Amino acid sequence: GQSLEQPSEVTAVEGAIVQINCTYQTSGFYGLSWYQQHDGGAPTFLSYNALDGLEETGRFSSFLSRSDSYGYLLLQELQMKDSASYFCAVRSTGRRALTFGSGTRLQVQP
Amino acid sequence: DVKVTQSSRYLVKRTGEKVFLECVQDMDHENMFWYRQDPGLGLRLIYFSYDVKMKEKGDIPEGYSVSREKKERFSLILESASTNQTSMYLCATLQGYSGNTIYFGEGSWLTVV
Repeated sequence: GQSLEQPSEVTAVEGAIVQINCTYQTSGFYGLSWYQQHDGGAPTFLSYNALDGLEETGRFSSFLSRSDSYGYLLLQELQMKDSASYFCAVRSTGRRALTFGSGTRLQVQP
Repeated sequence: DVKVTQSSRYLVKRTGEKVFLECVQDMDHENMFWYRQDPGLGLRLIYFSYDVKMKEKGDIPEGYSVSREKKERFSLILESASTNQTSMYLCATLQGYSGNTIYFGEGSWLTVV
């Protein structure tokens, strides 16, 4: 099967940089995705890494290392609106559905 | 923009009732999913469908069934609701076999009393 582990909570201040780590166990997968979910809302897609390395989208970057079974989401210039839960997810080879981690709740403080 | 619509946002049902959660998507995606979200457990896959009338069990199918009679519509059925099925239910879609972006509906909060 597949399993993904992420920290349950992270706290940071406005303007800072925060990194949310994700370690995974899966026999084979297409790539690592990140989703953001605000309280009461639906998860929305943030980024996807098919290959090793860093993908940058504005203030958010995501990194994947397949050899280390590890990835992270990097949020820069934190804003209050970034307070949300962040989920890493993989779609394993031969499986259509994504498997999600348990989520990291990010609190951004003034 | 992909639109995934869940018909009921908030429901309260009694133990033993049959519950239907409906989901409709407007982007002609082959794949549709039902996830359940609980605090500390993340999103867990209940069932998914990759074509009309085709379905496969996910990781926690017990106590649930699904129906996909039309491509755009995927229903989750709780045959006899129980209190441990109180949760948020999320419908989602995915384009094709190689797609990597999953689109979620707004969620249905179900309370079973």
